[in-house]
Amino acid sequence: DTGVSQNPRHKITKRGQNVTFRCDPISEHNRLYWYRQTLGQGPEFLTYFQNEAQLEKSRLLSDRFSAERPKGSFSTLEIQRTEQGDSAMYLCASSPRGGLNNEQFFGPGTRLTVL
Amino acid sequence: QKEVEQNSGPLSVPEGAIASLNCTYSDRGSQSFFWYRQYSGKSPELIMFIYSNGDKEDGRFTAQLNKASQYVSLLIRDSQPSDSATYLCAVNPASGTYKYIFGTGTRLKVLA
Repeated sequence: DTGVSQNPRHKITKRGQNVTFRCDPISEHNRLYWYRQTLGQGPEFLTYFQNEAQLEKSRLLSDRFSAERPKGSFSTLEIQRTEQGDSAMYLCASSPRGGLNNEQFFGPGTRLTVL
Repeated sequence: QKEVEQNSGPLSVPEGAIASLNCTYSDRGSQSFFWYRQYSGKSPELIMFIYSNGDKEDGRFTAQLNKASQYVSLLIRDSQPSDSATYLCAVNPASGTYKYIFGTGTRLKVLA
């Protein structure tokens, strides 16, 4: 399967713990995005990378959140000192290089529950 | 005013009918527009994208864009119960960014 993959698919943690999610984009897609989605809402943009460079971060991304894409391939999203309000589906997407075509293809998501 | 607005629904249509889903956006400089389908508990799946004013057809789906009115719509012909899902409108705002701004989605129910 050559789609976007995310691990883990589900994570339950206690408030105050740190969690890390991984995203593997579609091969040769140079842009990678992180979104967060809560029930009844559309995905909210968090951050995106072009190759290994993090080009944009949302104001939603507090200092407890950090994302990396060290070699321009997979990416990790870490949340430190989790809070109950962090409970959401964390979605990763990737898009190919070039032109006006910026179709983003989403992975299955990681559902985070903070107790 | 939200950046991308959709009626949350539910929009109920009988099987075989045309479902019409609407989306308005606030950034007049927006470049490209996308429709995603999302089944409950699943991630968004890209259905169509449109960049130019007018209609774009793909099978049973037609996307319509009117940049002057800042309006984009999705028509689903011959609606099937399997089309029952939430449809998300996404907008790529003014140039310089590749992020999407999503609406809250419209829940479609196709009644057999």
